[in-house]
Amino acid sequence: QQQVKQSPQSLIVQKGGISIINCAYENTAFDYFPWYQQFPGKGPALLIAIRPDVSEKKEGRFTISFNKSAKQFSLHIMDSQPGDSATYFCAASVVTGGGNKLTFGTGTQLKVEL
Amino acid sequence: DSGVTQTPKHLITATGQRVTLRCSPRSGDLSVYWYQQSLDQGLQFLIQYYNGEERAKGNILERFSAQQFPDLHSELNLSSLELGDSALYFCASSVWDRGQGTQYFGPGTRLLVL
Repeated sequence: QQQVKQSPQSLIVQKGGISIINCAYENTAFDYFPWYQQFPGKGPALLIAIRPDVSEKKEGRFTISFNKSAKQFSLHIMDSQPGDSATYFCAASVVTGGGNKLTFGTGTQLKVEL
Repeated sequence: DSGVTQTPKHLITATGQRVTLRCSPRSGDLSVYWYQQSLDQGLQFLIQYYNGEERAKGNILERFSAQQFPDLHSELNLSSLELGDSALYFCASSVWDRGQGTQYFGPGTRLLVL
């Protein structure tokens, strides 16, 4: 049972273009939505995150758009650079005791071409 | 560098064997999480410990167990290994403050079961 659906599976963008990755969730108990970036041979690293009471969050070239009623959220990478080439995972979280449990999407392999 | 360390980096073993993966969280983080990353299942939450106590369980097989020690390091024990257990195993840690916290992932242990 996949609780967080992510698309597309892979994405090729020209340098300077906009990369857009979409996610949808089902469980309304999710209360925190982070995006992680993973380079080959490395662990995932937090990129940006949003809570459901906010519709948009921007940090540098990275923006999350959140639509609570549609249960969808997306990551926009502006002015995409070759160094952004990585796998991106959306996630959704529920609070546990002293922490939170992350449910990840299936990942998007982004390649930014010169 | 996330500050989370995992050993060993690589592990090759045979079916039916037992292995132990070790994780040292970031200084001050009380929560430790274990995740499995495989091509077919993606990133899956296995289990969370907070200050030595189990707090949440995910898709963890009965052949797998974990614990967190008084010095907060954690071990994931995998027994009766099968070919399908070959995967990347990540540990993450977080500090949880007023309902918020970020999970920081270690570099992972790559397990190959032959």
